[in-house]
Amino acid sequence: DTAVSQTPKYLVTQMGNDKSIKCEQNLGHDTMYWYKQDSKKFLKIMFSYNNKELIINETVPNRFSPKSPDKAHLNLHINSLELGDSAVYFCASSPETAGDTEAFFGQGTRLTVV
Amino acid sequence: KQEVTQIPAALSVPEGENLVLNCSFTDSAIYNLQWFRQDPGKGLTSLLLIQSSQREQTSGRLNASLDKSSGRSTLYIAASQPGDSATYLCAVSTGGSYIPTFGRGTSLIVHP
Repeated sequence: DTAVSQTPKYLVTQMGNDKSIKCEQNLGHDTMYWYKQDSKKFLKIMFSYNNKELIINETVPNRFSPKSPDKAHLNLHINSLELGDSAVYFCASSPETAGDTEAFFGQGTRLTVV
Repeated sequence: KQEVTQIPAALSVPEGENLVLNCSFTDSAIYNLQWFRQDPGKGLTSLLLIQSSQREQTSGRLNASLDKSSGRSTLYIAASQPGDSATYLCAVSTGGSYIPTFGRGTSLIVHP
């Protein structure tokens, strides 16, 4: 019973395509995140979302958009994919309660744009 | 803006050594600090979470300490084993958003 699950695990696609990565958490957490891990393994926040607020890292291109059909899901949609979007994308979740914000991560989606 | 630095960037040691990995952060107004492990091609596994009111946490051979005032945390690994080889990441949650900010990690190799 995986706590945070992402699909697909691997995604290879051509430049210019539109793709989505799905994320689901069964922990009852209020907040979900998307991170991008670059080729140097640095994890950078892209989005933070709960039912009250979406926080966007200002460096994220507007081709990226989070979509949350319900509290347990936060999908990442990417339009007009570019070579530089190739990376590993991680979904995570945490409780919103102050002081209890332990984050749990999915296994990642390795996106390769060709 | 919170910045997290991890030193050293890479470490290679023989089996059995006791290790100290360092993490420093610029904004001491944190909610918590979390240490993760990442194996090659895998996701992140949470090792230890230290709340801002705590000084340390222990799990097995791992001990993490937190000194908020100086903006530092250390992860101590006792009696290292080859299975400890991985990248160790430090993440700090700050401010009203709780968003974890990561360091660039320490890549550890423990050779037999």
